[in-house]
Amino acid sequence: GQSLEQPSEVTAVEGAIVQINCTYQTSGFYGLSWYQQHDGGAPTFLSYNALDGLEETGRFSSFLSRSDSYGYLLLQELQMKDSASYFCAAPPYGGATNKLIFGTGTLLAVQP
Amino acid sequence: ETGVTQSPTHLIKTRGQQVTLRCSSQSGHNTVSWYQQALGQGPQFIFQYYREEENGRGNFPPRFSGLQFPNYSSELNVNALELDDSALYLCASSQQGVNYGYTFGSGTRLTVV
Repeated sequence: GQSLEQPSEVTAVEGAIVQINCTYQTSGFYGLSWYQQHDGGAPTFLSYNALDGLEETGRFSSFLSRSDSYGYLLLQELQMKDSASYFCAAPPYGGATNKLIFGTGTLLAVQP
Repeated sequence: ETGVTQSPTHLIKTRGQQVTLRCSSQSGHNTVSWYQQALGQGPQFIFQYYREEENGRGNFPPRFSGLQFPNYSSELNVNALELDDSALYLCASSQQGVNYGYTFGSGTRLTVV
């Protein structure tokens, strides 16, 4: 099967650092992406790991370890506007290209 | 560079009816994918269109169908609506073969009563 599991909710305070984990069971995929979604609106692309290791994009970083079937999104210097749902997503080998399997989603609440 | 536009934004239909949702893709993108997102869950892949043909399908019945037009815009059609079809329907555009950085529309919120 193909599934990506995330914690359902995470709470942190403004200015802090938070890590959102994603563990997966798939037969193989091309890489791991992260998307942000505010209040059921358009998911917005944040980051992509094609290879193992850390990718940094401003306040956001993402990490992937294929050997551990694990990835995470790291958000630094949290701001109130970061309160949103975060999804990991992977394009699996085989089947339709450009298809994404999304994780279960993590609702991040940033408190003052 | 225009983004992805979906219409309508909200829709209420009665069980058994048919619905058509529309999506315009981002400039420079040739592939459109449709996703269904139930409340509190991650988006689920419905199908994808490339070169005006269906190019892969998720675990959805045949009453979910679609079209892609020469300008890469797309339609999602759902026949014989069921209550469980109530969801946010998202359209994503991308360039075929690129596995990241998809651009999503804001979605159509469909309620079936």
